[in-house]
Amino acid sequence: DVKVTQSSRYLVKRTGEKVFLECVQDMDHENMFWYRQDPGLGLRLIYFSYDVKMKEKGDIPEGYSVSREKKERFSLILESASTNQTSMYLCASSILGTGDRETQYFGPGTRLLVL
Amino acid sequence: AQTVTQSQPEMSVQEAETVTLSCTYDTSESDYYLFWYKQPPSRQMILVIRQEAYKQQNATENRFSVNFQKAAKSFSLKISDSQLGDAAMYFCAYRFQGAQKLVFGQGTRLTINP
Repeated sequence: DVKVTQSSRYLVKRTGEKVFLECVQDMDHENMFWYRQDPGLGLRLIYFSYDVKMKEKGDIPEGYSVSREKKERFSLILESASTNQTSMYLCASSILGTGDRETQYFGPGTRLLVL
Repeated sequence: AQTVTQSQPEMSVQEAETVTLSCTYDTSESDYYLFWYKQPPSRQMILVIRQEAYKQQNATENRFSVNFQKAAKSFSLKISDSQLGDAAMYFCAYRFQGAQKLVFGQGTRLTINP
């Protein structure tokens, strides 16, 4: 079974802190994604990566950056956390391709509270 | 830009009954995929069912089936014989052929009443 893990289930940080959210997958997937989930808004893509050191902006990249130094690990960085970044963050991975077998597998999520 | 709309923020159904969750989408593409994902409380999101736009036949997975109306850009999920374990947030999602990323709807919270 595909396993996607995230470093923390719950995180509390203060405004202005630098925050690192880590995601690891064990299926040798090329693609990795970071989403933000808010009530009434569904999931919105922040960034994704299709290879090591490669990244592409999603729909809401402002205030975030990412790092992918190894294939299995994808980090989301909040350079200076703000209260409007309080949210649930979901990581996902999938194989590279555009056919009908590229299912995204999700991690358990990190619920971040910025005070 | 592609958009996905789930107009029912919350739904409830009696155990063992059938419920239908609605989803509409907007796209100018002809080749794409549609998905329903389930997110149980405090548990990971999992894929429930997938539909390829080029297939006319509606996808089914055990008690889960879809009603795919391509011309109307509608993709509803039917859950038959509802069980307590079906209680979850359900998200409709879209991906066009050639893309890596998904576009999600707002989600529908489904409650199962015993």
